[in-house]
Amino acid sequence: QVQLVESGGGVVQPGRSLTLSCAASGFNFNTYVMFWVRQPPGRGLEWVAALSSDGTDEFYAYSVEGRFTISRDTFEKTLYLEMGSLKADDTAVYYCARGRYYGDLGLDWGQGALVTVSS
Amino acid sequence: VVMTQSPLSLPVTLGQPASISCRSSQSLLYSDGDDYLSWFQQRPGQSPRRLIYKVSNRDSGVPDRFSGSGSGTDFTLKISRVEAEDVGVYYCMQGTHWPLTFGGGTTVEIK
Repeated sequence: QVQLVESGGGVVQPGRSLTLSCAASGFNFNTYVMFWVRQPPGRGLEWVAALSSDGTDEFYAYSVEGRFTISRDTFEKTLYLEMGSLKADDTAVYYCARGRYYGDLGLDWGQGALVTVSS
Repeated sequence: VVMTQSPLSLPVTLGQPASISCRSSQSLLYSDGDDYLSWFQQRPGQSPRRLIYKVSNRDSGVPDRFSGSGSGTDFTLKISRVEAEDVGVYYCMQGTHWPLTFGGGTTVEIK
């Protein structure tokens, strides 16, 4: 069955960097668009980034553009989110998700990884 | 594109219908003729789960008591008969325009 498993969350100081991973299994990773979505504690969902199936096209929310980078390793079937210049507002549970096309976000979701930005 | 959901909170009696509205600040009609509007359910303590895509298409395993309708800027999620397992927060999301955006959420609770 389809599985998306996030890892790499934790507590990080403001201004520092952190990289999240999402290990995919149970489907042909090479043919799906991948997404990151976050949810601050007690709040709603916010789309963060999207990456085309071949890894050539990247899209970002205005709030993270220039600080975050989405990438994928086809061989390892893993999606990444490199987060830099972290701020307190970046504190959230980060979910990875897949879709057949850009408007198809959420076909499947991971369990989420909590990132806390605090000194 | 701003997605506005109403109501914010929806107390419902078990077995009764429920309806959630979602309005977008721009038309969600894409050049291919489809509106890219999805609905998600998030039960307490769980990851979101998609229920509906492209306005009215149910995802695999979603009970048929859930239905979606609408076009352009006005969309609706209906639950024909609410069950206890339907408690949670429901979000709409538009996938037509960048950046992708979610509504603020509607909390469904049992009276």
